Amino acid sequence: GAVVSQHPSWVICKSGTSVKIECRSLDFQATTMFWYRQFPKQSLMLMATSNEGSKATYEQGVEKDKFLINHASLTLSTLTVTSAHPEDSSFYICSARGRTGTFEAFFGQGTRLTVV
Amino acid sequence: AQSVSQHNHHVILSEAASLELGCNYSYGGTVNLFWYVQYPGQHLQLLLKYFSGDPLVKGIKGFEAEFIKSKFSFNLRKPSVQWSDTAEYFCAVPSYSNSGYALNFGKGTSLLVTP
Repeated sequence: GAVVSQHPSWVICKSGTSVKIECRSLDFQATTMFWYRQFPKQSLMLMATSNEGSKATYEQGVEKDKFLINHASLTLSTLTVTSAHPEDSSFYICSARGRTGTFEAFFGQGTRLTVV
Repeated sequence: AQSVSQHNHHVILSEAASLELGCNYSYGGTVNLFWYVQYPGQHLQLLLKYFSGDPLVKGIKGFEAEFIKSKFSFNLRKPSVQWSDTAEYFCAVPSYSNSGYALNFGKGTSLLVTP
């Protein structure tokens, strides 16, 4: 299957600083990329979607100024958590979908963010 | 929006036992359904998917799922589990939301297989 690489796998940052997470599709062009957040022992919650050539669209309740998403190219999306606070500590997962005409998506390995 | 519900949150089985994890989707019409697995410390991997055709879908690692339209169900099964099947299992369905179509996940089922 297609490969999605997410980096870093884990990061610890101080409260008030910003953190950037990268998501790359290695062997296909990702026309759509998704960012999810997963709390411990809970399901994945969709934060936002970015489509090729357009700005990211955020789900209700997700602060777009806090979680900046850039879909720089068909193989790269970044999520920047700005002015991070301890409540932003979570597991962030990116997902990518190509031009398959189906809804199947491929997932990165996730990033464990801890804000201290 | 289309959603899925998973009824078993924690399942403990002995090796060689049979497995069935429940998944129900919210409403009918054309539906695509997925089962993903998340092994400890690893990323989500696709186990199997249903788009159309044969309602009995076979996936990787001996898993299968049956789409039963009358019951709005897509239960995951495996006849004989192994210790290595210990993982979190998620059922998912595409759902239209604020940001377009994305996979909407169930709460997940944590499976522990004991030797």
